[in-house]
Amino acid sequence: DVKVTQSSRYLVKRTGEKVFLECVQDMDHENMFWYRQDPGLGLRLIYFSYDVKMKEKGDIPEGYSVSREKKERFSLILESASTNQTSMYLCASRKDGLSNSGNTIYFGEGSWLTVV
Amino acid sequence: QKEVEQDPGPLSVPEGAIVSLNCTYSNSAFQYFMWYRQYSRKGPELLMYTYSSGNKEDGRFTAQVDKSSKYISLFIRDSQPSDSATYLCAMRMNSGYSTLTFGKGTMLLVSP
Repeated sequence: DVKVTQSSRYLVKRTGEKVFLECVQDMDHENMFWYRQDPGLGLRLIYFSYDVKMKEKGDIPEGYSVSREKKERFSLILESASTNQTSMYLCASRKDGLSNSGNTIYFGEGSWLTVV
Repeated sequence: QKEVEQDPGPLSVPEGAIVSLNCTYSNSAFQYFMWYRQYSRKGPELLMYTYSSGNKEDGRFTAQVDKSSKYISLFIRDSQPSDSATYLCAMRMNSGYSTLTFGKGTMLLVSP
């Protein structure tokens, strides 16, 4: 079974803190994604990565950055956390999107971040 | 017009009912269609995946895609309380690196 692991399930951080959300997948997937999910707004794509050291902005990249130094790990960074970044953050991975098998995207369990 | 529209619900049904969940979309370039189930405070899990138009069945679940109407459906037969969750539709184009576009999800409540 594919496993996408988000190391922190629940975090409480202060405004202005730098926050790291870590995600690891064990299926040698090329593509990885970070979403946030908010009531009434659904899933919104923050950043994604096609492969190691590659990154692309999603729909709402402002206030976030990412790092993909190893294929299995994709980190989301909040440089200076703000209260409007309180949300559930979901990491996902997918086999290379060039093949038909690349349509299946696997999600982690989510990280609940509260910024106070 | 939003790219993908999905009624947020909640949809409440008694156990054993047939459930119909739907999404409409505006982008005719979408070719791959998926349904995800998300339990409370968990990540979404893939239920069904369909390419282009047609039907696909998996146990109690049937996914339908009507590209001419830009309308997709998920049917759940003999619904169970364990089916209570939020159901998200998702779709993408046929280009290699296209990302998924999600509906906002429909909350389903199945009462015993």
